[in-house]
Amino acid sequence: GENVEQHPSTLSVQEGDSAVIKCTYSDSASNYFPWYKQELGKRPQLIIDIRSNVGEKKDQRIAVTLNKTAKHFSLHITETQPEDSAVYFCAASRGGTGNQFYFGTGTSLTVIP
Amino acid sequence: GAVVSQHPSWVICKSGTSVKIECRSLDFQATTMFWYRQFPKQSLMLMATSNEGSKATYEQGVEKDKFLINHASLTLSTLTVTSAHPEDSSFYICSAIYRGNTGELFFGEGSRLTVL
Repeated sequence: GENVEQHPSTLSVQEGDSAVIKCTYSDSASNYFPWYKQELGKRPQLIIDIRSNVGEKKDQRIAVTLNKTAKHFSLHITETQPEDSAVYFCAASRGGTGNQFYFGTGTSLTVIP
Repeated sequence: GAVVSQHPSWVICKSGTSVKIECRSLDFQATTMFWYRQFPKQSLMLMATSNEGSKATYEQGVEKDKFLINHASLTLSTLTVTSAHPEDSSFYICSAIYRGNTGELFFGEGSRLTVL
């Protein structure tokens, strides 16, 4: 099955700096890669996703890049703010109804004011 | 995005009793829902895949007789923790795939179970 690895497990940045979280996957058939933000005691929220036919996607301060050849994808947060502090999970899926999502182990991001 | 609702948010029960958690897709039909378990400061552990009208598919190591899953309709899946014990205390989260083959996954609010 799929194996998703995520680094780093914890990340602290100063407010205004950028944060980068990286994930690798093993299944070349995976074609959908979402990122989730989870605040303490709350549900994971989808913040951005990318499909295998695209190399990069951006939404305001958040961007995701995908390297299919190397089987890795990264989340980039620019101009970080204290409210960005949360746990971030990457995931990989083959897509389609019924296909499982495999999650990374999470990155706890702390933005220091 | 799509809305997935989970109930109850919090539940405390005595050891040996059973607890039912409901997961509903409010504005879409979900042929497949997933149940996860999350321990503090850890990732989401997939417990089972719930398929409407058929038996759930359980991940290795998850006891199907202890964690009963029923997906009776396209908008409702339930997880029943039977004969709960303190080690079953955890955060349980359901999710559902939205938009058919485009496959976006949305989560319920989660249910925190505490077994005394």
